[in-house]
Amino acid sequence: QVHLQESGPGLVKPSETLSLTCGVSGYSISSGYYWGWIRQPPGKGLEWIGSIYHSGNTYYDPSLKSRVTISIDTSKNQFSLKLSSVTAADTAVYYCARHPHSMIRGVEMVFWFDPWGQGTLVTVSS
Amino acid sequence: EIVLTQSPGILSLSPGERATLSCRASQSVYNNYLAWYQQKPGQAPRLLIYDASSRATAISDRFSGSGSGTDFTLTISRLEPEDFAVYYCQQYGTSPALTFGGGTKVEIK
Repeated sequence: QVHLQESGPGLVKPSETLSLTCGVSGYSISSGYYWGWIRQPPGKGLEWIGSIYHSGNTYYDPSLKSRVTISIDTSKNQFSLKLSSVTAADTAVYYCARHPHSMIRGVEMVFWFDPWGQGTLVTVSS
Repeated sequence: EIVLTQSPGILSLSPGERATLSCRASQSVYNNYLAWYQQKPGQAPRLLIYDASSRATAISDRFSGSGSGTDFTLTISRLEPEDFAVYYCQQYGTSPALTFGGGTKVEIK
């Protein structure tokens, strides 16, 4: 059974870089699937941040692209998120998740998220 | 970017009743590439439906998805106590640009 677990600091200062890691167990991240990050501000909805394949290919939400870096470490079976220049608006529960992909009419597409990690709250505050 | 609008924001129903949740897209969703998730307080979202109408593994047949183009519906045939939660839709028709709806809360009346 696939299990994902987020880890990282729960408190980050404004203007600094948020760094999180998602450890995957029960499945080799080199075996396929994209691996994504999603966040949820307190009391609000879900926002996709970006996703990565074991080859290193990445997709990012355009609104966050300038501040986001997602990387992957297949030797540790984990992938990571870095979000730079954070503000209070980046305070959220951050989730990692797996999602399938396929080539549709010559275009790579990524699909739904399943399963998800339990999420980790990151607060941006001085 | 496709904007997903979910309605109603809050749905107040009693156990045993039927719940009908709507997700409307600002433009047609390619191949009806739409998923539904359930989220309970303090928990991560759980996939219920993908490709608009396919149930995910181990999801009760009380849950069904329908719709096409810009209008999609999640139906819960008979609400059980554990079904009271927030439900989100997500489109992946403009993948790799992925978007979620704002959610519908199903609460006990």
